[in-house]
Amino acid sequence: KQEVTQIPAALSVPEGENLVLNCSFTDSAIYNLQWFRQDPGKGLTSLLLIQSSQREQTSGRLNASLDKSSGRSTLYIAASQPGDSATYLCAVYTGNQFYFGTGTSLTVIP
Amino acid sequence: GAGVSQSPRYKVAKRGQDVALRCDPISGHVSLFWYQQALGQGPEFLTYFQNEAQLDKSGLPSDRFFAERPEGSVSTLKIQRTQQEDSAVYLCASSLRPAWTDEQFFGPGTRLTVL
Repeated sequence: KQEVTQIPAALSVPEGENLVLNCSFTDSAIYNLQWFRQDPGKGLTSLLLIQSSQREQTSGRLNASLDKSSGRSTLYIAASQPGDSATYLCAVYTGNQFYFGTGTSLTVIP
Repeated sequence: GAGVSQSPRYKVAKRGQDVALRCDPISGHVSLFWYQQALGQGPEFLTYFQNEAQLDKSGLPSDRFFAERPEGSVSTLKIQRTQQEDSAVYLCASSLRPAWTDEQFFGPGTRLTVL
């Protein structure tokens, strides 16, 4: 069974800092990987989708990379802002279902 | 509507009651997913529909859980004889194309509490 791990579980940074969130998965046979943010009491918001043939995707201050062979993805957030505070989840699609990590809880301190 | 909607947003049930949770996906979206999210955990896959066809239900935890999407749009997740361990947030997501090609859009979830 695919297992998805996210490190760290929680992260607190001062405003303006650049940061990296990590996601690793045990089975490299994936179709795509998606990064989400989840605000307390709310559903998930899609941030970036990387197909298995791609190496990275960028949207604004966010950049996600994918190294399928090593089973890793990183989400880079530039110039963090207090509004970035949320839980960030990665999910991989293996061809029959999606597997989510447990998330990284990010707090950006003003 | 503009996004995925779910109703009710909150549901309290007594143990043994049946519940029905509704999901309205984005209009025209082919794929629909149900997830269960326990407190402090990531979502866990329950089932996947492509139009009206339920292509994967391997994540449903027991035969008390049943999902349908009869006309390929609205979906209902039904839980019979609810148990305390069913307490969780139930998330619905949809995507325009089949699951392996497209990003998912999530609804706000239904928080189910079984007393």
